[in-house]
Amino acid sequence: DAGVIQSPRHEVTEMGQEVTLRCKPISGHDYLFWYRQTMMRGLELLIYFNNNVPIDDSGMPEDRFSAKMPNASFSTLKIQPSEPRDSAVYFCASSPTINVLTFGAGSRLTVL
Amino acid sequence: QKEVEQDPGPLSVPEGAIVSLNCTYSNSAFQYFMWYRQYSRKGPELLMYTYSSGNKEDGRFTAQVDKSSKYISLFIRDSQPSDSATYLCAMREGSARQLTFGSGTQLTVLP
Repeated sequence: DAGVIQSPRHEVTEMGQEVTLRCKPISGHDYLFWYRQTMMRGLELLIYFNNNVPIDDSGMPEDRFSAKMPNASFSTLKIQPSEPRDSAVYFCASSPTINVLTFGAGSRLTVL
Repeated sequence: QKEVEQDPGPLSVPEGAIVSLNCTYSNSAFQYFMWYRQYSRKGPELLMYTYSSGNKEDGRFTAQVDKSSKYISLFIRDSQPSDSATYLCAMREGSARQLTFGSGTQLTVLP
């Protein structure tokens, strides 16, 4: 198994641009999580899905953030428009249960 | 006050030392406790998982939970340079569906 696959690994963009981060979870994992990690705030849960359905998006910071999971093998996190304070590492994780998360390698976003 | 407090370190020890990493928490409803290890430029990976109070051992690693004190620990025996990473504690209420992570402790094991 290739694990959780995220793309792009690095993204540098200018303020106001749209950013789309992608995630392919491990096959058979019913849960998918999007986290954001910064030095100041640590690891924060943005949203999670169960069987492709968004369950809790209370961690999504603003309406500029949206996430979709059109099928069991693909999810996107979109930021539009992006701002410098969105600069962080964004992790996707999948899990067959709540506790045992498998994280991807992360997408490092820099917004100038 | 954060729900989960973790000393960020950095912590530097010589190879072979016993390492103790700790987290305190304020939410008495937490029942599931985990330790994740994160190498630089990588995602966190699950190291240990315990339910409620008690000890759990896996090779050189021992996880300890004291619910009465709201305190969890991870012990690493015979530490190796390959153990150099950031260690994050995480915990969950029984009925909740999301984990609450500590901020992580950066550990360096010197050869």
